[in-house]
Amino acid sequence: AQKVTQAQTEISVVEKEDVTLDCVYETRDTTYYLFWYKQPPSGELVFLIRRNSFDEQNEISGRYSWNFQKSTSSFNFTITASQVVDSAVYFCALSEAVYSSASKIIFGSGTRLSIRP
Amino acid sequence: DTAVSQTPKYLVTQMGNDKSIKCEQNLGHDTMYWYKQDSKKFLKIMFSYNNKELIINETVPNRFSPKSPDKAHLNLHINSLELGDSAVYFCASSQDQREGFNEQFFGPGTRLTVL
Repeated sequence: AQKVTQAQTEISVVEKEDVTLDCVYETRDTTYYLFWYKQPPSGELVFLIRRNSFDEQNEISGRYSWNFQKSTSSFNFTITASQVVDSAVYFCALSEAVYSSASKIIFGSGTRLSIRP
Repeated sequence: DTAVSQTPKYLVTQMGNDKSIKCEQNLGHDTMYWYKQDSKKFLKIMFSYNNKELIINETVPNRFSPKSPDKAHLNLHINSLELGDSAVYFCASSQDQREGFNEQFFGPGTRLTVL
């Protein structure tokens, strides 16, 4: 069965520190997709990134970077020079590729990130 | 312009009542979803519809009945509300899942409180 584990329930760092949010997944599929979503205090869910299982290249977007390693089934997310506005709950998620009519996303339990000024 | 909208944003009601939450997307997507987020922030899929057809039903009590009048709308009706139904309900949409997976766009959520 598919599973996403975010072992860090809460992280608190001081502004400008770098912080890494861990994500470990389990799947028997060879083709799958991984995601990160952000949920700020206002409550909406914001899509951050999608990565398919054949693309192990790391990705950088501004202060955000993602490290995908199939060998360890991990898809970690790093925020460089964190800012107070980065405070949110971050969800890692997994979906299997669809070749029939059904697919679904399995979300991790989330990591609450607090950035202190 | 709002891509995925839900109404109402807040819903407070008594146990035993019946209530509905509406969802509309203007993205032209074929697939829509309902998720439930509990008080511990755990997000779990409830239903998925593709072009008005139910394709995922995740062992949700039959008090919950989704209805999709067209592919731009997916409403959620809940009968005989219970205390445990209190949660935030998110609607989402994505392009046709049968063509390969695309990211899901979420609505702002509906916070349901059952007293």
